[in-house]
Amino acid sequence: DSGVTQTPKHLITATGQRVTLRCSPRSGDLSVYWYQQSLDQGLQFLIQYYNGEERAKGNILERFSAQQFPDLHSELNLSSLELGDSALYFCASSSSWGFETQYFGPGTRLLVL
Amino acid sequence: AQTVTQSQPEMSVQEAETVTLSCTYDTSESDYYLFWYKQPPSRQMILVIRQEAYKQQNATENRFSVNFQKAAKSFSLKISDSQLGDAAMYFCAYTGRQGGSEKLVFGKGMKLTVNP
Repeated sequence: DSGVTQTPKHLITATGQRVTLRCSPRSGDLSVYWYQQSLDQGLQFLIQYYNGEERAKGNILERFSAQQFPDLHSELNLSSLELGDSALYFCASSSSWGFETQYFGPGTRLLVL
Repeated sequence: AQTVTQSQPEMSVQEAETVTLSCTYDTSESDYYLFWYKQPPSRQMILVIRQEAYKQQNATENRFSVNFQKAAKSFSLKISDSQLGDAAMYFCAYTGRQGGSEKLVFGKGMKLTVNP
């Protein structure tokens, strides 16, 4: 158990819908990262937050947004969902913003029908 | 942009034998870290080992060790005394400070099968 929690574990929804994925980092960790794992794109970085502030963006679609709250948990919002958004979404956390090891949550498996 | 290449999509090894997984990367940065993550059928991403680029000594963690060749930009993982529980996808990953982020850049992964 990495100490990073993600909810829900599984999500099935329809095209055009909006979903929210939640992540709680390890106790004391200030950085949260979101990654998407799909069959065709592999593991890709989406976005990073550090202590409530956005630190870096990767290949995140405009339909997707995220935020980190004062209690350091983070949410990833996916809207106007398309079939191609079906993937495993991981949250990872690290203690700060330096070269710290990232510990991954169990992931949320999203299926868009 | 930094890239990570795992050229072997699949490998197999006999239980108790040794196997080496290869990884190469491309970067212009001098300060970076490299990682191997394991993803078993549960899909959980588990850290196996990490290597700091400034360290000449290769990292080891029990049965897992790396061969880090900085000049060749090569980072291979050796698993000794392979166990059935080692069967998983293995991902090589890089992190530098590109764009002010410590994001991980992953290779495409390699599926390891352990035969009893």
